[in-house]
Amino acid sequence: GAGVSQSPSNKVTEKGKDVELRCDPISGHTALYWYRQSLGQGLEFLIYFQGNSAPDKSGLPSDRFSAERTGGSVSTLTIQRTQQEDSAVYLCASNRDGGTSTDTQYFGPGTRLTVL
Amino acid sequence: QQQVKQSPQSLIVQKGGISIINCAYENTAFDYFPWYQQFPGKGPALLIAIRPDVSEKKEGRFTISFNKSAKQFSLHIMDSQPGDSATYFCAAREDQAGTALIFGKGTTLSVSS
Repeated sequence: GAGVSQSPSNKVTEKGKDVELRCDPISGHTALYWYRQSLGQGLEFLIYFQGNSAPDKSGLPSDRFSAERTGGSVSTLTIQRTQQEDSAVYLCASNRDGGTSTDTQYFGPGTRLTVL
Repeated sequence: QQQVKQSPQSLIVQKGGISIINCAYENTAFDYFPWYQQFPGKGPALLIAIRPDVSEKKEGRFTISFNKSAKQFSLHIMDSQPGDSATYFCAAREDQAGTALIFGKGTTLSVSS
C-alpha cells in the first residue's frame, strides 16, 4: 500500500490481558515512531526505530510497554497486563530518513485500544 | 512540563472567516515546526511546516506566522470552510537525528456553514 497501515483498527481487551498492535510503515522508510493519543492530551511519543540502530525507548511509560521492529520494516507494540489508563489511540508514523529534522512523518490511521 | 503549549482548545468559526490557532514553545533547540490536521478516525496528516529562518510561510489558504524572539508560532486559515473542520496539532522538533515530534494538545476547529 501507499501509506502507513496499522492493525487492528480497534481492540477491546480486559484489564490484565496482553495486547499486540501492528504497524506496517511505508516501504523504504527507515524511521518508525509510535505515539499514543489520549483524549485531550495530544500525541505522546513512545518509541523510535531508525534502521538497525538501538531504538529510543525514552517515551515508554512503563516496563509493561515494549516494541520491536523485525527486518527493519514491520513493528509490533506490545502492552502487557493492560490497565484502564492504557486506553487510547496508538499511532504509528514513518519517515524516509530519521536523520533529517524536516523529513515529513506520515501517520497511520491508528489502533483504538479500549481496556475494560 | 509541557514543551509545546497550544491554544485555544476549541474554536468555532463561521464559513469565510479566519481561524487562528496559537502555539508557544520553550526549547530553543527546536528547529522545525509543522502543523498537522486530523479528521475523525484518521491519523494526523502534515498540513504545513516552517523553519525558524523565516517569519511566515503561506500555502493556499493556510499561513504559518513565526516569532522566534517570542518563541511563538501560529496557524491562520483564511476563508475557513466546513471541510476545514478537524483537529489541528502544532508540533516542534530538534534538528537532531531521530528526535520525535513534540505535539501540542490540539485544537478542535468547527466551521459553521
